[in-house]
Amino acid sequence: GAGVSQTPSNKVTEKGKYVELRCDPISGHTALYWYRQSLGQGPEFLIYFQGTGAADDSGLPNDRFFAVRPEGSVSTLKIQRTERGDSAVYLCASSLNQGGGYTFGSGTRLTVV
Amino acid sequence: GQSLEQPSEVTAVEGAIVQINCTYQTSGFYGLSWYQQHDGGAPTFLSYNALDGLEETGRFSSFLSRSDSYGYLLLQELQMKDSASYFCAVRTGGGNKLTFGTGTQLKVEL
Repeated sequence: GAGVSQTPSNKVTEKGKYVELRCDPISGHTALYWYRQSLGQGPEFLIYFQGTGAADDSGLPNDRFFAVRPEGSVSTLKIQRTERGDSAVYLCASSLNQGGGYTFGSGTRLTVV
Repeated sequence: GQSLEQPSEVTAVEGAIVQINCTYQTSGFYGLSWYQQHDGGAPTFLSYNALDGLEETGRFSSFLSRSDSYGYLLLQELQMKDSASYFCAVRTGGGNKLTFGTGTQLKVEL
């Protein structure tokens, strides 16, 4: 597609529920990144895919968070047993070259109540 | 780990020039990027410096000094639409993972 698409744009869920956030990167971009951003803060790294494999998942805060990219294109970030502290904007980005700029999606605003 | 410092807020008048500084402490440094983010919007890529010196792109320029672990973003001929948050980010690995600073909120006034 023309840009990075993230769905849903907003998600409200109850504490303890499971959520899936989807990211559709720019066609041909092999690298895909997940970040999350809290109000007044910079994006915080979660995980980075090169192709289908997770090249670096050091930012995932705990084992409730998991992400997949089975065909090297669309990625899903999965959060189990959501907690109120998980509330944030989850940003996905893709890039063509290492060192090149990211193109971010508009994000999914997750609110855990 | 990595740490980045940038001012939290800068105010300038329309038509002026403003410089946003960024200092960093990191290991395995590969380069410094700058991103702009309007309220409620996605971050957008502005520039990337891997080598020392000044890179110019229209009204925006970015500078890097690797020996000083320091960079800056220079915005010229400020316009009201430049009011946004600006983030510096360091690339520290052979991949393209970025660590972002906490951002500088730029307010452009008439």
